[in-house]
Amino acid sequence: DVKVTQSSRYLVKRTGEKVFLECVQDMDHENMFWYRQDPGLGLRLIYFSYDVKMKEKGDIPEGYSVSREKKERFSLILESASTNQTSMYLCASRPPPNYGYTFGSGTRLTVV
Amino acid sequence: TQLLEQSPQFLSIQEGENLTVYCNSSSVFSSLQWYRQEPGEGPVLLVTVVTGGEVKKLKRLTFQFGDARKDSSLHITAAQPGDTGLYLCAGAGRGSTLGRLYFGRGTQLTVWP
Repeated sequence: DVKVTQSSRYLVKRTGEKVFLECVQDMDHENMFWYRQDPGLGLRLIYFSYDVKMKEKGDIPEGYSVSREKKERFSLILESASTNQTSMYLCASRPPPNYGYTFGSGTRLTVV
Repeated sequence: TQLLEQSPQFLSIQEGENLTVYCNSSSVFSSLQWYRQEPGEGPVLLVTVVTGGEVKKLKRLTFQFGDARKDSSLHITAAQPGDTGLYLCAGAGRGSTLGRLYFGRGTQLTVWP
């Protein structure tokens, strides 16, 4: 089974801190994604990557950046954390089209 | 832009009842997927449907993809408390969308014993 591992289940950070969320997949998938999930708003795509060093903005990229230096690892960076970035963050990877995502267990980030 | 509309948003039923969840769009998708998510966990893929009119069964769950590939439904027969969770539909766009999926906002199902 494909595994997508997110480095932390829970994080508490202070406003203004730089925050790194790490995601690693073990099945050589080209496509990786970062979503945030908020009640009533569903899953919203932040950034995605279809190859090493390649990235594409999703629907809500403001305040975030990403890094993909190796195929298996996709990092989400909050440059200066703000309280409105408190959310559940989900990483996913996907083989070629018409196959589903495999999600990680999520990181619940609280910014205080 | 919310490409996929799910209904109902919330569903609370007794064990043994049947239910249907709908996923509708004005867009055509190359495939459509259903996921279930439990509290504190990531969504887990249940099924992918690819062909217009396709019907797939997974034990007590029946998934249907509309003929025009714009909508889908999930029907659960004789629901059990273990079916409780957030059900998400997701569509894969046609053409070059670089593998991204478009998600509905989900249907929160609660099945009471």
